Amino acid sequence: TQLLEQSPQFLSIQEGENLTVYCNSSSVFSSLQWYRQEPGEGPVLLVTVVTGGEVKKLKRLTFQFGDARKDSSLHITAAQPGDTGLYLCAGASTRKLIWGLGTSLAVNP
Amino acid sequence: EAGVAQSPRYKIIEKRQSVAFWCNPISGHATLYWYQQILGQGPKLLIQFQNNGVVDDSQLPKDRFSAERLKGVDSTLKIQPAKLEDSAVYLCASSPWVTEGAGTEAFFGQGTRLTVV
Repeated sequence: TQLLEQSPQFLSIQEGENLTVYCNSSSVFSSLQWYRQEPGEGPVLLVTVVTGGEVKKLKRLTFQFGDARKDSSLHITAAQPGDTGLYLCAGASTRKLIWGLGTSLAVNP
Repeated sequence: EAGVAQSPRYKIIEKRQSVAFWCNPISGHATLYWYQQILGQGPKLLIQFQNNGVVDDSQLPKDRFSAERLKGVDSTLKIQPAKLEDSAVYLCASSPWVTEGAGTEAFFGQGTRLTVV
């Protein structure tokens, strides 16, 4: 059974702080995706990483795919209240998406 | 491009009643998912269709849940009879799944919030 462990589960920080969310697995994924979900809405795709070692930046968000394509991280610089939400990672393998349990982030003004 | 459409947005039913959810995926997307999501947690896959065939329904409680995707386009998910623990958000998503790398992204509808009382 493929698993994707996401940590931390909860994170409450002050505006301006930096944070990192991790997704780890013993399985290799062909791609890994990060989503953000706001209350009352479905998850929305932030980024897809495909190549081992790949780094992608989206404004203050930096995503990294591990060299072995088994793990990924999301780093947010200078977090803002608008970053509050549930962050989810999902790994693609053999025509299936394996989901992490999510990181609930609260950024306090 | 129109997104994934789901209805209804909200539903309140009594336990032991039945309920049905409808989903219309993005045009051309071969893969369709139904997920159950508990507040604050990641989505749990109920069933995955590839066109009108089932890829994975291993976590679907088949004694009470059923789903179909006729003609490989829209889909319905039914619960009969509902239990209190079925209270959750039911999300539909679709994906083009062109290759194993890029193109596997899931596009979600807004979900249906089900409350069983």
